[in-house]
Amino acid sequence: QKEVEQDPGPLSVPEGAIVSLNCTYSNSAFQYFMWYRQYSRKGPELLMYTYSSGNKEDGRFTAQVDKSSKYISLFIRDSQPSDSATYLCAMSTGGSEKLVFGKGMKLTVNP
Amino acid sequence: EAQVTQNPRYLITVTGKKLTVTCSQNMNHEYMSWYRQDPGLGLRQIYYSMNVEVTDKGDVPEGYKVSRKEKRNFPLILESPSPNQTSLYFCASSLRQPAGYNEQFFGPGTRLTVL
Repeated sequence: QKEVEQDPGPLSVPEGAIVSLNCTYSNSAFQYFMWYRQYSRKGPELLMYTYSSGNKEDGRFTAQVDKSSKYISLFIRDSQPSDSATYLCAMSTGGSEKLVFGKGMKLTVNP
Repeated sequence: EAQVTQNPRYLITVTGKKLTVTCSQNMNHEYMSWYRQDPGLGLRQIYYSMNVEVTDKGDVPEGYKVSRKEKRNFPLILESPSPNQTSLYFCASSLRQPAGYNEQFFGPGTRLTVL
């Protein structure tokens, strides 16, 4: 079993839809959970970061962590064409800088 | 502007011809790393460096070398490239702390094709 599993998609939704992106993981030592967004022909950029369990909201984006289920989610409300990108989940134990990435989910939001 | 730069952005080469991809950051970060990104495989770490003169293997180090003689620079060296090293390469850096989370800043990527 891989440490981090992420459905690679692709996912295509109409503008205004609610999008749910998910990752599961097997290492219970992970404490830091991140979502990176990668536009075409660009490097990944940090979108959201959560420590341990719980929710974090930033505008139209909400990150959720359920450590008991080893499951993290990113929700995008009122999705826009500018949200079209590949979304990568990433996790770390916090004891080092090593990040373990999911494979990334390609999202397309159609006008 | 705080950034990670990579050069070249695009490179087509032939098997066995040594090449170097440069990476530089202007944020005084201690930690630097190289990744490759392949369809269906995601981002995989090649090498990383905790500080000057301190480097270590990541998950896929075979066929690659690195050096860290200065804090800002972390070049990736392919001494004898092969077609299976055709990939999209990213350099990243972060401000190292004793523990806790550090945001990694990525460069724009280098698309390498080995014929």
